[in-house]
Amino acid sequence: DVKVTQSSRYLVKRTGEKVFLECVQDMDHENMFWYRQDPGLGLRLIYFSYDVKMKEKGDIPEGYSVSREKKERFSLILESASTNQTSMYLCASSQTRQGIHGYTFGSGTRLTVV
Amino acid sequence: EDQVTQSPEALRLQEGESSSLNCSYTVSGLRGLFWYRQDPGKGPEFLFTLYSAGEEKEKERLKATLTKKESFLHITAPKPEDSATYLCAVTSGTYKYIFGTGTRLKVLA
Repeated sequence: DVKVTQSSRYLVKRTGEKVFLECVQDMDHENMFWYRQDPGLGLRLIYFSYDVKMKEKGDIPEGYSVSREKKERFSLILESASTNQTSMYLCASSQTRQGIHGYTFGSGTRLTVV
Repeated sequence: EDQVTQSPEALRLQEGESSSLNCSYTVSGLRGLFWYRQDPGKGPEFLFTLYSAGEEKEKERLKATLTKKESFLHITAPKPEDSATYLCAVTSGTYKYIFGTGTRLKVLA
């Protein structure tokens, strides 16, 4: 069974901390994505990557950065966590850049910044 | 502007009571419309992709249909285990998906 694995289900961090969210996929997909999900706002794209060491900004990249050193791993970094970054973070991967065959999502990381 | 609107926001059904969820979309050049199921505290689970108007797909008690303006997710004789949030998304073939905010379905035994 193909999988996207996010390293933490729940995280609590303090304002100003640097936070790393890790995502690993075992499907040999080239394309990986980070979304955040908030009530009433749906899923919003933060960053995506279509190749190792490649990254592109999504709709809401401010306050975030990403790293993709290996094909299977895509990390989201909150440089200095703030309370408005409290959210559910979802990692996804797809076979094609366009994602026309659908994404596979991880189980999500619920991040609380206090 | 590309947009996806799902209705209703929430739906309560009795077990066995069939109904439909709606996904209305506006996108320049639809390349795919997607339905996902999301359980509380978990990531979305892929259900269907529809590519062109008139297309239909089925999976157990779920059937998805597509027109040029909207998609319906029909749920036939639902069971309590069908309770979840159902998300709709579209893509015009770029990297970007446009997601709706979902319909929260509760099926009562």
